[in-house]
Amino acid sequence: QKEVEQNSGPLSVPEGAIASLNCTYSDRGSQSFFWYRQYSGKSPELIMFIYSNGDKEDGRFTAQLNKASQYVSLLIRDSQPSDSATYLCAVPNQAGTALIFGKGTTLSVSS
Amino acid sequence: DTAVSQTPKYLVTQMGNDKSIKCEQNLGHDTMYWYKQDSKKFLKIMFSYNNKELIINETVPNRFSPKSPDKAHLNLHINSLELGDSAVYFCASSPTGGILDTIYFGEGSWLTVV
Repeated sequence: QKEVEQNSGPLSVPEGAIASLNCTYSDRGSQSFFWYRQYSGKSPELIMFIYSNGDKEDGRFTAQLNKASQYVSLLIRDSQPSDSATYLCAVPNQAGTALIFGKGTTLSVSS
Repeated sequence: DTAVSQTPKYLVTQMGNDKSIKCEQNLGHDTMYWYKQDSKKFLKIMFSYNNKELIINETVPNRFSPKSPDKAHLNLHINSLELGDSAVYFCASSPTGGILDTIYFGEGSWLTVV
């Protein structure tokens, strides 16, 4: 059974700082990795996915994948109070038919 | 237009009752899911259907029975509700169910069993 581990936080950063969220996964064969954001009382929404080693950038968000070390990170540059949410890391299950989610890291950005 | 819609949004019911949650997606996706998010915010897959066919049935009590009348609908029926069933139930869909698919979630149904 694949597992995804995240530090539950809360991670607190001041406005304008870089927030770094980390995720480790158990299955070395995992090929794709997803970051979802969930605001309190709302549903998860996709921020970005990554499947190649290295960095993938989208606006203020950068996903970093290191398959050798089995971790994937999400960096949020110029953090804003509106970024305050829970960030969920996910990988496909063994059959590739659903996503397995980590327990999420709660980010709090103070103005 | 809401892409993935589920009803009801809030449901408070007594132990032992039977209840249903309905879900519809208008995205033309082939795959639909039910996820459960418990009080600790852990989001866990329950069921997955691809074009009306059951793909995933995780270790969920058989009091939970999904039904997919067509690929745009996936309903969840729960018999003999227990206190531990209190959670947020998210319906979701994805284009094909493939490993690079984005999963789109509905707004969630907050179930409270008293």
